[in-house]
Amino acid sequence: DAGITQSPRHKVTETGTPVTLRCHQTENHRYMYWYRQDPGHGLRLIHYSYGVKDTDKGEVSDGYSVSRSKTEDFLLTLESATSSQTSVYFCAISESDPSADTQYFGPGTRLTVL
Amino acid sequence: QKEVEQNSGPLSVPEGAIASLNCTYSDRGSQSFFWYRQYSGKSPELIMFIYSNGDKEDGRFTAQLNKASQYVSLLIRDSQPSDSATYLCAVGGRGKLIFGQGTELSVKP
Repeated sequence: DAGITQSPRHKVTETGTPVTLRCHQTENHRYMYWYRQDPGHGLRLIHYSYGVKDTDKGEVSDGYSVSRSKTEDFLLTLESATSSQTSVYFCAISESDPSADTQYFGPGTRLTVL
Repeated sequence: QKEVEQNSGPLSVPEGAIASLNCTYSDRGSQSFFWYRQYSGKSPELIMFIYSNGDKEDGRFTAQLNKASQYVSLLIRDSQPSDSATYLCAVGGRGKLIFGQGTELSVKP
């Protein structure tokens, strides 16, 4: 978890409300990722960023948006939370190519949507 | 067919035994292979990676890669109760990294 923080660590919200999760890194890594982890599905990529203001969709991007205005911060927004978005969300970082370089994970955020 | 498949387990082994964790993948263009360990309630942490066919050893851990069979495995020698965790296989290629669903390992004292 060194060098990567996520906030909040736990959140309970209601269906239809907007939610923003924050990932902050102190490693100056170029790539940042948002994953969700659900039982039976492993880690699934939501969105990733390859630089400031440069983002792309992952495998399960519907209902999520991201922004990266600074190298160190990567925000994940659920515009209108649904119960299916109840999950554990992990931020990860890597120095280079996501398919070849080690990814390091933050501590995670547990989100419950009622 | 899932892109990266692992047996979900749980895999139970006695303390001191060898634990063998397996992973298969579907994309023949895959080039990099990672094993992560995840303790309950914690985030994944890298154990080791392997890029070339054959074995790679790091302490009690050995990763084995067979690209022809599209198979990668992780052996844990002298298993300890502290090795009890979920082990995630991740396969990289074509600009993306895909994770398997993980295998839960339980090492019994």
